[in-house]
Amino acid sequence: DVKVTQSSRYLVKRTGEKVFLECVQDMDHENMFWYRQDPGLGLRLIYFSYDVKMKEKGDIPEGYSVSREKKERFSLILESASTNQTSMYLCASSKDWGEQFFGPGTRLTVL
Amino acid sequence: GENVEQHPSTLSVQEGDSAVIKCTYSDSASNYFPWYKQELGKRPQLIIDIRSNVGEKKDQRIAVTLNKTAKHFSLHITETQPEDSAVYFCAARPETSGSRLTFGEGTQLTVNP
Repeated sequence: DVKVTQSSRYLVKRTGEKVFLECVQDMDHENMFWYRQDPGLGLRLIYFSYDVKMKEKGDIPEGYSVSREKKERFSLILESASTNQTSMYLCASSKDWGEQFFGPGTRLTVL
Repeated sequence: GENVEQHPSTLSVQEGDSAVIKCTYSDSASNYFPWYKQELGKRPQLIIDIRSNVGEKKDQRIAVTLNKTAKHFSLHITETQPEDSAVYFCAARPETSGSRLTFGEGTQLTVNP
């Protein structure tokens, strides 16, 4: 059974803080993704990675960066958090071109 | 890049009725179309998918149809039950995008007992 976990379910940060969101998957998946979920906007891809140390921009990469030093771990970094980055963040992983398995999400509030 | 539009944004039906959610896509190279269900407070989960070489696929009470010419695909749920209440997302994947999906905006389905 695939398991994708995220470091926090809820997070409250202040404007200008550096924020780290971590995602870990235990099924040796090559691909990992970070999405942002906002009401009425669906799931928007921020960044994805198809291998260790490899990353590609998604549709809304501005204000974010990512790190993938190990195959099982994919981190999303907000260098200087802003209020418009208040959102639900979902991580996902997949093997090859298969089903994407999602984590439980992190609800981030930036004050 | 790919653009996916999903309608309606909200749908309310009576228990036992059918529900239909429609999506259109822009990239004719898209060849994989999954549907995800997200119950309140939970993570999205794949419920059914279809590939471009197939026109229809069924799994018990749910079915997906694909019209490649018109570039649209639909989710059909028959005999709806209260536990079908959730947000449903369609997605499309162009052949050239690797494993990347483009999602629609989501449909909040409410099944009234």
